[in-house]
Amino acid sequence: EIVLTQSPGTLSLSPGERATLSCRASQSVSSNYLAWYQQKPDQAPRLLIYDASSRATGIPDRFSGSGSGTDFTLTISRLEPEDFAVYYCQQYGSSPGVTFGQGTRLEIK
Amino acid sequence: QVQLVQSAAEVKKPGSSVKVSCKSSGGTFSKSAISWVRQAPGQGFEWMGGIIPIFGTTNYAQNFQGRVTVTADESTSTAYMELSSLRSDDTAVYYCARGPHHYDRTGYYRKAFDVWGQGTMLTVTS
Repeated sequence: EIVLTQSPGTLSLSPGERATLSCRASQSVSSNYLAWYQQKPDQAPRLLIYDASSRATGIPDRFSGSGSGTDFTLTISRLEPEDFAVYYCQQYGSSPGVTFGQGTRLEIK
Repeated sequence: QVQLVQSAAEVKKPGSSVKVSCKSSGGTFSKSAISWVRQAPGQGFEWMGGIIPIFGTTNYAQNFQGRVTVTADESTSTAYMELSSLRSDDTAVYYCARGPHHYDRTGYYRKAFDVWGQGTMLTVTS
């Protein structure tokens, strides 16, 4: 099973600042099948990025994903108030199933 | 737009079973996998298993082998997840999601979970 480790656990920033979230895999992610999700309290997750760097439908371009192999990054170029949430990475390239990182909480400083 | 609508919250006793439904609308149900994921209070996500309705093929996480059964009814575009021998640590929100396996006219491809159900809260308590 591929283990995903996210860092930092909590990130404290102000609106307008740049956020950089990391996701490291215990082994190479097949075909860079790596996604990022945003989850707000009492809501289902929302897909932001898939295939490591492709933005999902309707996602603002301040969200971007990069990386390959075992190291991946989600960048939010300029934080808006609605961006403060928990972010999860997920790999979906292995069989039989997917695995998730433990999450990064992005909080207002 | 594809939507997944799940059944209502459940309260169950230890040792019993629960069956959660996930009804799809607005898209082609059969050709995309439906996966089940759970999230314990204040925790991250744990994949449980999934099904590809057009083939009826299932796969399950090792942690849930023998306790979880995922089925699908193509006639109603509904997937089901049944979890047995419930314990207090099964208390969680259970989500269905579309993906990661898809089939279309070009063949097979993988995509992340692009559509999620609203979640079903399961509380296991005596």
